Amino acid sequence: QQQVKQSPQSLIVQKGGISIINCAYENTAFDYFPWYQQFPGKGPALLIAIRPDVSEKKEGRFTISFNKSAKQFSLHIMDSQPGDSATYFCAASWGAQKLVFGQGTRLTINP
Amino acid sequence: EAGVAQSPRYKIIEKRQSVAFWCNPISGHATLYWYQQILGQGPKLLIQFQNNGVVDDSQLPKDRFSAERLKGVDSTLKIQPAKLEDSAVYLCASSPPRGTYNEQFFGPGTRLTVL
Repeated sequence: QQQVKQSPQSLIVQKGGISIINCAYENTAFDYFPWYQQFPGKGPALLIAIRPDVSEKKEGRFTISFNKSAKQFSLHIMDSQPGDSATYFCAASWGAQKLVFGQGTRLTINP
Repeated sequence: EAGVAQSPRYKIIEKRQSVAFWCNPISGHATLYWYQQILGQGPKLLIQFQNNGVVDDSQLPKDRFSAERLKGVDSTLKIQPAKLEDSAVYLCASSPPRGTYNEQFFGPGTRLTVL
């Protein structure tokens, strides 16, 4: 019940395309859903986050879609660029408790 | 604003040796976390401090891992003795006091290789 399941494990997208990464969770107590971006040799950096009281949040080319009834959320990267090539992690937490991370998706944007 | 600092960045040791990692969080951040990130996996929380008190250490292998946060600022994580399966990146993160969300800021990590 503490798990966050992420898919796909790896993704290749052409430059200018849309990258979509999906996550699912079981614990309905989760109330905070961030996405982190990690480049090789660096720590994860917060990209965008959502609370379950909204169904969508957009920041620039990055959008989180949230489906509370299905207990799923996804990250969409519009107009994907080679600089977006990184590993992306979804996560979830409740209150001020620990973040539970997904397994990660290695995204490659081909120029 | 300086980010989370960690040292060393890389460490190679033999199994059964001991090793220590150091973390200095962002100034003013009350909460400090240590994560273990095994290659190809997401970070897994080892221990969470609130100031200098432990909030959650349920996933810390206490027979070999220990951590402390003296004076509620920087922290050290120790492994003694190390096993091959401890090879991973050890990430430190911090979050501000009573933030709106559980927003955590990560350091660059220490890559540990146990031979």
